[in-house]
Amino acid sequence: DVKVTQSSRYLVKRTGEKVFLECVQDMDHENMFWYRQDPGLGLRLIYFSYDVKMKEKGDIPEGYSVSREKKERFSLILESASTNQTSMYLCASGGRDTQYFGPGTRLTVL
Amino acid sequence: GNSVTQMEGPVTLSEEAFLTINCTYTATGYPSLFWYVQYPGEGLQLLLKATKADDKGSNKGFEATYRKETTSFHLEKGSVQVSDSAVYFCALSTYFGNEKLTFGTGTRLTIIP
Repeated sequence: DVKVTQSSRYLVKRTGEKVFLECVQDMDHENMFWYRQDPGLGLRLIYFSYDVKMKEKGDIPEGYSVSREKKERFSLILESASTNQTSMYLCASGGRDTQYFGPGTRLTVL
Repeated sequence: GNSVTQMEGPVTLSEEAFLTINCTYTATGYPSLFWYVQYPGEGLQLLLKATKADDKGSNKGFEATYRKETTSFHLEKGSVQVSDSAVYFCALSTYFGNEKLTFGTGTRLTIIP
């Protein structure tokens, strides 16, 4: 059974903290993605990676960075968390024509 | 650029009713089209897909047909169940080697017994 796991289901952080969200996939996919999900806005792509150490900006990269040191792991980093980054964060990995999603991390920044 | 427009929600139906959720798209080239579903407290999962014009995707009683002439991919089900209550997302990808998905805003569906 294919699996994408995310390090936390719920996270509460304070403004200005550095936040790491981790994602691991076991399908040997080259492509991995980070989205944020907000009511009325659907899913918006933050960053994606098509190979180890490779990354591309998505539609809303401001305030985020990513790291992909190993094929199976893709990390999203909030360098200095702000309240407008309170959201649901979804990781996905992609085979051809299909993306598999993790359960999501609900991040609250106070 | 690419965009997906889907029916505003929320949608509330009685059990066994007929369901349609509209989805239209704008894309360059020949996109693949998808419906994803998100059950409460879970991540998204692929419901069905179609990769070329006139293809019909189907799964769990849901169907959608890729209509190039109307740039549409409407989701239908003949008889909904309470367990179909979820948020449904229409999406497209234009394959340039990295399978980026563009999503609609989602439609929340609630089925009442």
